Amino acid sequence: QSVLTQPPSASGTPGQRVTISCSGSSSNIESHTVNWFQQLPGTAPKLLIYGNDQRPSGVPDRFSASKSGTSASLAISGLQSEDESDYYCAAWDDSLNDYLFGAGTKVTVL
Amino acid sequence: QLQLQESGPGLVKSSETLSLICTVSGDSIRSSPYFWGWIRQSPGKGLEWIGSIDDRGNIYYNPSLKSRLTISMDRSKNQVSLELSAVTAADTARYFCARDGRQFQLLFEFDHWGQGTLVTVTS
Repeated sequence: QSVLTQPPSASGTPGQRVTISCSGSSSNIESHTVNWFQQLPGTAPKLLIYGNDQRPSGVPDRFSASKSGTSASLAISGLQSEDESDYYCAAWDDSLNDYLFGAGTKVTVL
Repeated sequence: QLQLQESGPGLVKSSETLSLICTVSGDSIRSSPYFWGWIRQSPGKGLEWIGSIDDRGNIYYNPSLKSRLTISMDRSKNQVSLELSAVTAADTARYFCARDGRQFQLLFEFDHWGQGTLVTVTS
């Protein structure tokens, strides 16, 4: 079981808004920035969000993220078929001295 | 354009040492302000950070792998290397190298990735 807890799946129809949660603790999310990665099937992960809520250039503004206390969330608004992917949150953990990834959330576009 | 390419044997026998190379093109790792990391993904499972290195002699390892792990740089070849000793089936994974996108800071903002190389540990 991952220290950073994500729902295994999420889904929505095209155009809908989907939110993915990432629950952690005071030793990780609360104390350090959260990054989000998108991994399309058969490809390397891609940095989607860094520094809790910053989008790298080229990432559509449909993707947004936030952090509050020991939890973080990623939102995809205006869901598109190409958003069907696995999404991972990640943060450093002071107790484990380790960089942790959540187990990932598979987003399905219905 | 920055590109990273992992290479190494696809099969490693149990108890032996796994050795991988990440060749960087489009940038020089010598005096680079960035950290370079290794991440792996077991088949059908999530991501695991292995370790990160920069050109200033800073190396950080995943504590659970530290006793078996060596990450190094070959500046003349623009390569970052990974060696993992005493491998078991649990080390079977796709291994990725990636660049940490924030200069002079270890923030794990991996903004450039290689395609990964699959390593299978056999008995």
